[in-house]
Amino acid sequence: LAKTTQPISMDSYEGQEVNITCSHNNIATNDYITWYQQFPSQGPRFIIQGYKTKVTNEVASLFIPADRKSSTLSLPRVSLSDTAVYYCLVGDYNAGNNRKLIWGLGTSLAVNP
Amino acid sequence: EAGVAQSPRYKIIEKRQSVAFWCNPISGHATLYWYQQILGQGPKLLIQFQNNGVVDDSQLPKDRFSAERLKGVDSTLKIQPAKLEDSAVYLCASSPGTSDSTDTQYFGPGTRLTVL
Repeated sequence: LAKTTQPISMDSYEGQEVNITCSHNNIATNDYITWYQQFPSQGPRFIIQGYKTKVTNEVASLFIPADRKSSTLSLPRVSLSDTAVYYCLVGDYNAGNNRKLIWGLGTSLAVNP
Repeated sequence: EAGVAQSPRYKIIEKRQSVAFWCNPISGHATLYWYQQILGQGPKLLIQFQNNGVVDDSQLPKDRFSAERLKGVDSTLKIQPAKLEDSAVYLCASSPGTSDSTDTQYFGPGTRLTVL
């Protein structure tokens, strides 16, 4: 069963860059790494997804080494509104080759003023 | 584009009562998911539909939970009878494709269920 490991919590200050590293030793060869953000009382929201090397969008960057056994979500210059839980996800495939995301506990990021 | 809609947002019932949750996915999305999220934990997949067929219900407690997706659009999740441990947020999500490795899930706001 594919699964991920990430820190339970992190603290940062406004304006800093935050890097959250996730390990996924058993990721499937063809699977992507996906990150979601969840605020209290809301459903998770897609942030970024990648397969290898580096992906960047308007919100974050995702760094994936060649062996793909880990990935790092980078949030540049965080603000108080980035306080949330961040989930790193890989897929698990059933007999019918349908993909199921395996959700762990996530990383609770607290941004302080 | 309208997001995933869920109702009700909050529900309080007593144990052994029944409850139903409704979800309207994003228009055109083939895949619909129901998750249970207990406070402090990540979402746990209960059931996944592709159009109106079930592709994964391995973690659905079938003795008390049921779900259907009528005509491959709206979906209803029911609990009968409810137990104290069913207190959680029930999230509905939808995705455009067939749950391949790049398929992005879009979540609704969730229904917070409290069982007394």
